[in-house]
Amino acid sequence: DSGVTQTPKHLITATGQRVTLRCSPRSGDLSVYWYQQSLDQGLQFLIQYYNGEERAKGNILERFSAQQFPDLHSELNLSSLELGDSALYFCASSVGTSGVREQFFGPGTRLTVL
Amino acid sequence: AQSVTQLDSQVPVFEEAPVELRCNYSSSVSVYLFWYVQYPNQGLQLLLKYLSGSTLVESINGFEAEFNKSQTSFHLRKPSVHISDTAEYFCAVSEGAGGTSYGKLTFGQGTILTVHP
Repeated sequence: DSGVTQTPKHLITATGQRVTLRCSPRSGDLSVYWYQQSLDQGLQFLIQYYNGEERAKGNILERFSAQQFPDLHSELNLSSLELGDSALYFCASSVGTSGVREQFFGPGTRLTVL
Repeated sequence: AQSVTQLDSQVPVFEEAPVELRCNYSSSVSVYLFWYVQYPNQGLQLLLKYLSGSTLVESINGFEAEFNKSQTSFHLRKPSVHISDTAEYFCAVSEGAGGTSYGKLTFGQGTILTVHP
């Protein structure tokens, strides 16, 4: 158990819908990273927050957004869903923002768009 | 920007045989290097990392990896594998000291290691 929790574990929805994925980091970790794992794109970095502020952005679509709340949990919002958004979405947390710090991964949320 | 190439998508081996999972990276700046393991239906777990110092790093379960700067490689090896090592292995990099990417990881495509009895 990494100490990072993600809910829900599975999500099945239809095209055009909007969903919210939730992540609670390990106690004491201020940084939250979101990654998408799909068969065709592999594991890709989406976005990072540190203590409530966006710090880095990767290949995140405009239909996707995220935020980190004062209690440090984070939410990833996916809207106008398309079939190609079906993937495993991971959240990871670390103490800081340096690459030296280990990132601890949650179990992931599997999103299926029908 | 960095990129990571894992040269083998699948590696089947027999139990107690040695294995090498290959990883090459490309970067215009210094990097930190990682190997993560993903067991079925689980998240990623850090196996080992190279930050600085000795180029040979080891994990607690017998894996080792060697950083080769001239060949830009970070291959993962184990002299004798077990059935329980069956998993997907990901090589990853992040920007090194002084980097501005805030620790984000760039992953390779993954190598599925299957250990047969």
